Amino acid sequence: EAGVTQFPSHSVIEKGQTVTLRCDPISGHDNLYWYRRVMGKEIKFLLHFVKESKQDESGMPNNRFLAERTGGTYSTLKVQPAELEDSGVYFCASSQLDRGSNGYTFGSGTRLTVV
Amino acid sequence: ELKVEQNPLFLSMQEGKNYTIYCNYSTTSDRLYWYRQDPGKSLESLFVLLSNGAVKQEGRLMASLDTKARLSTLHITAAVHDLSATYFCAVEGGSRLTFGEGTQLTVNP
Repeated sequence: EAGVTQFPSHSVIEKGQTVTLRCDPISGHDNLYWYRRVMGKEIKFLLHFVKESKQDESGMPNNRFLAERTGGTYSTLKVQPAELEDSGVYFCASSQLDRGSNGYTFGSGTRLTVV
Repeated sequence: ELKVEQNPLFLSMQEGKNYTIYCNYSTTSDRLYWYRQDPGKSLESLFVLLSNGAVKQEGRLMASLDTKARLSTLHITAAVHDLSATYFCAVEGGSRLTFGEGTQLTVNP
């Protein structure tokens, strides 16, 4: 079974530019999450999709961030325009609707550097 | 707001020694996760603790959960170099995980 795939793995952009991150969840996982780790701090929740619907986007830092999950499959997270403080590692995770004793599967993250 | 505190944040230990990482959280939750991360890799699920008193062991790692004390521990027995990584605890609340800051573990020969 393929895991959660994120790309790019690294991105370096200039302040003011736009970047789009992509996440492909495990097939059949209706839950999809975005998290971010900034400057070695704790990993923080950004938002949660159930299929194509945003279930909870309370962690999104501001309106420069836009997440989509068209068709309930892969998701994109766009940052426009990027600021220096957006640098960090962006993780995607997916899970089944009924997790039972299972948990979440995380991707390897996209390291975003804004210069 | 759920807060998760992990300590220590940095841990340098010698091979063969034992040590414990602590994870305290501020509000009631019945699900707690431990993850391991190697540099540039994904968060690897180590343990899912679902109920008070849960104890799980895998190799040299053992995790426990005390929901009344809001405390989980990750115990390392006879550490080996391969255990060097960053370890995160995460507590489930609503539709999200709240993470501790992570413990960067270095096991020295």
